Amino acid sequence: QSVLTQPPSASGAPGQSITISCSGSGSNIGNNYVYWYQQVPGTAPKLLISRTHQRPSGVPDRFSASKSGTSASLTISGLRSGDEADYYCAGWDDSLPDPLYVFGTGTKVIVL
Amino acid sequence: EVQLLESGGGLVQPGGSLRLSCAASGFTFSSYTMTWVRQSPGKGLEWVSVIGGSDGRTYYSGSVKGRFTISRDNSKNTLYLQMNSLRAEDTAIYYCAKDDDSGGFYYGFDYWGQGTLVTVSS
Repeated sequence: QSVLTQPPSASGAPGQSITISCSGSGSNIGNNYVYWYQQVPGTAPKLLISRTHQRPSGVPDRFSASKSGTSASLTISGLRSGDEADYYCAGWDDSLPDPLYVFGTGTKVIVL
Repeated sequence: EVQLLESGGGLVQPGGSLRLSCAASGFTFSSYTMTWVRQSPGKGLEWVSVIGGSDGRTYYSGSVKGRFTISRDNSKNTLYLQMNSLRAEDTAIYYCAKDDDSGGFYYGFDYWGQGTLVTVSS
């Protein structure tokens, strides 16, 4: 069972902006980097956001992310049909006795 | 160009064993922490295990601890996952992934393999 909670789906018309939330706790989001991954069905996940708000090379600046306390969010601006995919937040959790890497529950983005 | 190529998946009976491999190229393999992530059919991503680049330190998810063993051969640029006592709930696509920083643990994954399917069924 995931410790990072995301809404099951988010939708918007082309050109609009949507925001996906990711709720965690002090042992994960509150104390560590947040990562975001995009997964088009049938393909491997792709790194979308690194270290909470950094875009890897090649990721459009339409994708932005932030964190506040124990929650994080991903915003997709200028929505395009090609953005339809599943999006996962993730990060390390300072669990005892060993740290764990945790993924969010995932959000399906639908472009109307 | 970074490439990760998993192999070793297949159909195995409950209680059986399987060893997955991930052949890496295009980067200094020994410098990077490597991870296995799995995805059951129609489900989300689940972290399985991680191994440090040089110190070989390992961590496991609670669902596989004691049954799976992660290892690496830096001379062969290959990551492994030995899976024992397999259960139906281990059925998934298994991906290997590379850390996005060479500084040890607590980072994310910038390159992923294409995945290999493991099916546990009688």
